[in-house]
Amino acid sequence: GAVVSQHPSWVICKSGTSVKIECRSLDFQATTMFWYRQFPKQSLMLMATSNEGSKATYEQGVEKDKFLINHASLTLSTLTVTSAHPEDSSFYICSASSSGQILATEAFFGQGTRLTVV
Amino acid sequence: AQSVTQLGSHVSVSEGALVLLRCNYSSSVPPYLFWYVQYPNQGLQLLLKYTSAATLVKGINGFEAEFKKSETSFHLTKPSAHMSDAAEYFCAVSRLSGGYQKVTFGTGTKLQVIP
Repeated sequence: GAVVSQHPSWVICKSGTSVKIECRSLDFQATTMFWYRQFPKQSLMLMATSNEGSKATYEQGVEKDKFLINHASLTLSTLTVTSAHPEDSSFYICSASSSGQILATEAFFGQGTRLTVV
Repeated sequence: AQSVTQLGSHVSVSEGALVLLRCNYSSSVPPYLFWYVQYPNQGLQLLLKYTSAATLVKGINGFEAEFKKSETSFHLTKPSAHMSDAAEYFCAVSRLSGGYQKVTFGTGTKLQVIP
């Protein structure tokens, strides 16, 4: 099956620093990747959608200068939380979708990254 | 536009009892529907999906769901709950948009299994 790997699985950083989260599709080409944020006991909220080689499309209310998304290849997307603050502490999940016929019926999810800003 | 509504943020069942988690959807086009399970501090695991084939979909771990267009529902069931089923369950709807699946999640239902 299609596998998406997210790294790191958890990270603690100091307030004011930047943190990079990687999302890799291991066995398929992900033409589109998605980044979600999940607050405690809440559902997943889509932050942005990125297509390989183009700028990400951010959802309303998401600061694009704070959450930098890069989708430089068909197997890798990164989310960088810049100048992190404690309120950025959350669970971040990526997913990947392929335009290939067989894989186009669903998006595949990474295992998530628990970010804690202290 | 598309959305899903999960009725009941918390559901408690006894071990061995029937599990029923409710999901209603709204979609302007024929939808793809999914159920995911999430254990604490983990990502999402796909339980099952409906993609316009059979209306009764069987998934992993003994779960199944039935797509009912007339009721716009996609409820998740399992005949006999196990302790290991305790987790958060998300219903989701997606549609093909620009060559990719755009997914919208419900608010989740936390399943508690009582010994």
